[in-house]
Amino acid sequence: GENVEQHPSTLSVQEGDSAVIKCTYSDSASNYFPWYKQELGKRPQLIIDIRSNVGEKKDQRIAVTLNKTAKHFSLHITETQPEDSAVYFCAVSGSSNTGKLIFGQGTTLQVKP
Amino acid sequence: GAGVSQSPRYKVAKRGQDVALRCDPISGHVSLFWYQQALGQGPEFLTYFQNEAQLDKSGLPSDRFFAERPEGSVSTLKIQRTQQEDSAVYLCASSFLEGEKLFFGSGTQLSVL
Repeated sequence: GENVEQHPSTLSVQEGDSAVIKCTYSDSASNYFPWYKQELGKRPQLIIDIRSNVGEKKDQRIAVTLNKTAKHFSLHITETQPEDSAVYFCAVSGSSNTGKLIFGQGTTLQVKP
Repeated sequence: GAGVSQSPRYKVAKRGQDVALRCDPISGHVSLFWYQQALGQGPEFLTYFQNEAQLDKSGLPSDRFFAERPEGSVSTLKIQRTQQEDSAVYLCASSFLEGEKLFFGSGTQLSVL
């Protein structure tokens, strides 16, 4: 089945710096790649997603890039702010029919003021 | 409208008790998913409904776990004879159609003593 690896597990940056989180996946048929932000005790919130027919997508300070050949995708956060501190999960749709998601292990991002 | 609603927010059960967790998806959402999230881990897929039909239950860890969505709206996840290893946050998520963006509820934190 699909396997998703996420790195790093923890990331600490200074406010204003950029943060990059990477995920690799195993199933070349996967075609949907969302990123979720989860604050402590809260629900996972979708922050950005990309489909396999697109190489890059940007939404204000957040961007996602996808390399289908290498089977990896990355989350880029620019001009980080303390409120960006949270756990970030990548996910991969293991089936194009249902939207069933396979999640990475999570990255704890700390933005120091 | 309102987001995905789950109840109870917290549940403490004695080992061997049966529990029932409720999910109210976003109105009109066809697809409904249940995920299990252990502490410090990413959500793991349990089961998927399209309307009232349970199309995938491959993630249910044992036959003690049972889910239903009889009228294609509210769903209940039932765990019989709870064990300590069942302690986790149980997340419900819904989407308008298959393969569309997934929206999560805040989850039910189950603690089995």
